[in-house]
Amino acid sequence: QKEVEQDPGPLSVPEGAIVSLNCTYSNSAFQYFMWYRQYSRKGPELLMYTYSSGNKEDGRFTAQVDKSSKYISLFIRDSQPSDSATYLCAMSRDNYGQNFVFGPGTRLSVLP
Amino acid sequence: GAVVSQHPSWVICKSGTSVKIECRSLDFQATTMFWYRQFPKQSLMLMATSNEGSKATYEQGVEKDKFLINHASLTLSTLTVTSAHPEDSSFYICSALPRTSGSVGELFFGEGSRLTVL
Repeated sequence: QKEVEQDPGPLSVPEGAIVSLNCTYSNSAFQYFMWYRQYSRKGPELLMYTYSSGNKEDGRFTAQVDKSSKYISLFIRDSQPSDSATYLCAMSRDNYGQNFVFGPGTRLSVLP
Repeated sequence: GAVVSQHPSWVICKSGTSVKIECRSLDFQATTMFWYRQFPKQSLMLMATSNEGSKATYEQGVEKDKFLINHASLTLSTLTVTSAHPEDSSFYICSALPRTSGSVGELFFGEGSRLTVL
C-alpha cells in the first residue's frame, strides 16, 4: 500500500462547478498537510497548509483534514478555467520538510 | 512571495555527458534545499536533502555518485547528473526552506528543469 493515495483523474468539470479533490494516507504520524497546484512543466505552488485535523478556508479554496479517517480534501468553489492544473497533496511527519511525501496528483480540467 | 529559480529550465545532452542544474533562492537564505525527480504523470519523488556546508542526504535507491549535490552557499544548491543516460531523462525540481522559518508550509519550489538525454 502506498503511503499516500490520490485519484490521478483526469477530472473534467464545467466552469463554476464545485471541485472535490481527495487523498488518503496510511501513516498516522503525518501531522502537516499541504495542497499544491502544478501547471504543466512548472514547479508546484503551495495552495493550502494545515496542521492536524479540521478545516481551513482561503478564498475559493477549502482544505479539510480528517485524521481519524486518514483522509484529506481540497474543495474549489466557483471553479475557473485557470484552475486547470494538477493538484498534489503532500504530507509530512515533521515541520522541516525532510519527510515530505507527495501524492501522485489529480489532473483537473475546468471547461469554459 | 519568495522565489526559487532553477537553471537551466530545459537541457538536452548526449548520453555519457554530465549536466549541472542550479537551484537558487533569490530573496531568502535557505539552510536546506531538496531535490526531486518527476516522471510524466507521476508525483514528485524526493531524491536528496541538501544542507548548506555539509554532505547531502540521499533517499534510498538514489545513487550519490550519479547525482552529485553541492550546497556551497545559503542561496545556491547544484545537482550534477554524471554520465547521463536516456533513463535519466526526467523533470528535476528543487525546493528551498527559508532559514528564518523552517516551516514545511513555507517550502518554496523552483520551476523545474527538464532533462532530455539522447
